[in-house]
Amino acid sequence: HVHLVQSGAEVKKPGASVKVSCKASGYTFTGYYMHWVRQAPGQGLEWMGWINPNSGGTNYAQKFQGRVTMTRDTSISTAYMDLSRLTSDDTAIYYCARDPYLLTGFNYMDVWGKGTTVAVSS
Amino acid sequence: QSVLTQPPSVSGAPGQRVTISCTGSSSNIGAGYDVHWYQQLPGTAPRLLLYANSNRPSGVPDRFSGSKSGTSASLAITGLQAEDEADYYCQSYDSSLSGLYVFGTGTKVTVL
Repeated sequence: HVHLVQSGAEVKKPGASVKVSCKASGYTFTGYYMHWVRQAPGQGLEWMGWINPNSGGTNYAQKFQGRVTMTRDTSISTAYMDLSRLTSDDTAIYYCARDPYLLTGFNYMDVWGKGTTVAVSS
Repeated sequence: QSVLTQPPSVSGAPGQRVTISCTGSSSNIGAGYDVHWYQQLPGTAPRLLLYANSNRPSGVPDRFSGSKSGTSASLAITGLQAEDEADYYCQSYDSSLSGLYVFGTGTKVTVL
């Protein structure tokens, strides 16, 4: 079975950074893009960006450029999302989600992690 | 900052048919990009419901169907069931900026 297992909840102070991990299993990690999507309390889904685990190439939403860094470690099939200069507006659940674009040519997310709650509070 | 607009809520009795619209523009749906739909049950992560406008992944009941025309798409649920009560999001690709994936505003489906 395909699984994306995310790291545990985080509590951060304003101005700090957070790094969330997403460990993939059950498929070839380098064969699928990995997205990061967040959801603030009571709000909708917001796309943050993707990483191509094969090349390490990234594409970030303009809103997060300069503040987000997506990386991966192919030796342990894990993707990471680092968000810096946190404010209370960054309080949200952060999801990783797999994208089969390289295989299908379609831009969608077919497998999701369970999410990581990040709370930013002084 | 969603660029795809959905109705905030729709409701129906068990067994009825409900539809959810997803309205975009010439830089996303109208540009020919496909629309995908996700279901988010309360307290859980989203799951893929339909891909490429109308295709169901394995395990998704055939009471869920989708279509796309012009700058809009729609999701239909026929034979509404209690377990369909959830939030639904459309998603597409937008070429106006740096290759964005965009989500709809989300629709809460309530089973009366």
